[in-house]
Amino acid sequence: QQQVKQSPQSLIVQKGGISIINCAYENTAFDYFPWYQQFPGKGPALLIAIRPDVSEKKEGRFTISFNKSAKQFSLHIMDSQPGDSATYFCAASMQGAQKLVFGQGTRLTINP
Amino acid sequence: DAGVIQSPRHEVTEMGQEVTLRCKPISGHNSLFWYRQTMMRGLELLIYFNNNVPIDDSGMPEDRFSAKMPNASFSTLKIQPSEPRDSAVYFCASSLRAGGLGEKLFFGSGTQLSVL
Repeated sequence: QQQVKQSPQSLIVQKGGISIINCAYENTAFDYFPWYQQFPGKGPALLIAIRPDVSEKKEGRFTISFNKSAKQFSLHIMDSQPGDSATYFCAASMQGAQKLVFGQGTRLTINP
Repeated sequence: DAGVIQSPRHEVTEMGQEVTLRCKPISGHNSLFWYRQTMMRGLELLIYFNNNVPIDDSGMPEDRFSAKMPNASFSTLKIQPSEPRDSAVYFCASSLRAGGLGEKLFFGSGTQLSVL
């Protein structure tokens, strides 16, 4: 119940295309859902986050879509660029809790 | 700000040796986390501290692992004795606990540990 399942494991998208990464969870007590971006040789960095009281959050080319009834959330990267090539992790935590449960990660490659 | 600083960046050691990983969190942050990253298990939380006090060490794999935070600007993760299965990237992260609004973690660049 503490797991967050992420798919796909790897994704190749052409420059200018839309990248979509999906995550699913079981624990309905989760109420904070961040996405982290990790470049090779670096630690993960917070990209964007959402709480379940909204169904969508957009920051620039990055959008989180949240479906509370399906217990799923996804990251959409519009107009994908080669500089977006990285590993992306979804995560979740419960209200007031500091422990983040991470998905397994998606290695995204944007072809020029 | 220099961000979270970890040392060493790379560590190669032989099985049975003691390994100490070091972390300097961002100044002013009051929470510190140690994560381990492997291909098989992804990112795993090992232990975290609030105001230098260990809060949850349930992710520490076994007694060979120990972590300390003697002050607000320094933490160590020690493995004694080390084993080949401990080979992984170890990340330290810090945050400013904001009363349950969702933790924003700032990660260091990690220590790549190889135990031969």
